[in-house]
Amino acid sequence: DGGITQSPKYLFRKEGQNVTLSCEQNLNHDAMYWYRQDPGQGLRLIYYSQIVNDFQKGDIAEGYSVSREKKESFPLTVTSAQKNPTAFYLCASSIDRGAGGDEQFFGPGTRLTVL
Amino acid sequence: AQSVTQLGSHVSVSEGALVLLRCNYSSSVPPYLFWYVQYPNQGLQLLLKYTTGATLVKGINGFEAEFKKSETSFHLTKPSAHMSDAAEYFCAVRYSSASKIIFGSGTRLSIRP
Repeated sequence: DGGITQSPKYLFRKEGQNVTLSCEQNLNHDAMYWYRQDPGQGLRLIYYSQIVNDFQKGDIAEGYSVSREKKESFPLTVTSAQKNPTAFYLCASSIDRGAGGDEQFFGPGTRLTVL
Repeated sequence: AQSVTQLGSHVSVSEGALVLLRCNYSSSVPPYLFWYVQYPNQGLQLLLKYTTGATLVKGINGFEAEFKKSETSFHLTKPSAHMSDAAEYFCAVRYSSASKIIFGSGTRLSIRP
């Protein structure tokens, strides 16, 4: 089955630690995205990548880092510089053929809690 | 600034009643429009989308939405609510093929027995 997988589903972090969230897709999509979701605030874009070895900051990139070494993988690192990292993190991908109607496909999410 | 607005953060309807979730966008140029559904602790799933052509779009699970340019709206409807429709619904807009998708703040739909 084609789709997007995120791991782990739940993640607990102590203050001051960096953690990495995994996102893998086998849809052969060029573009991948990371969103943060907080209650009542919808989705906010952290980083996105339209091609391997290239990525751009979204609206709330501070305290986060990403890499895109392979087309299938787009891991997100939450660094100790992120002051309020407790949230639900969603990874998405899209074909990104340059057509505006291409929808994004989402993974199941990772819930990060800072202890 | 370009935006998308979902009126009502929480909507409650009785089982069997009409579901109406509101979405308005902020451009005179017709954008690309999407509705997504999110069940608790899960990712988002596409319900339907409007790109061009017919303004009444049918989606999964019996939902449909109508693009109304004069009202800059893309409201989501379902004639008869089921208990399984309880979820969070997000309207999303893309104003051009070169721009990013903008998500609304979401509407939580509750279904009363």
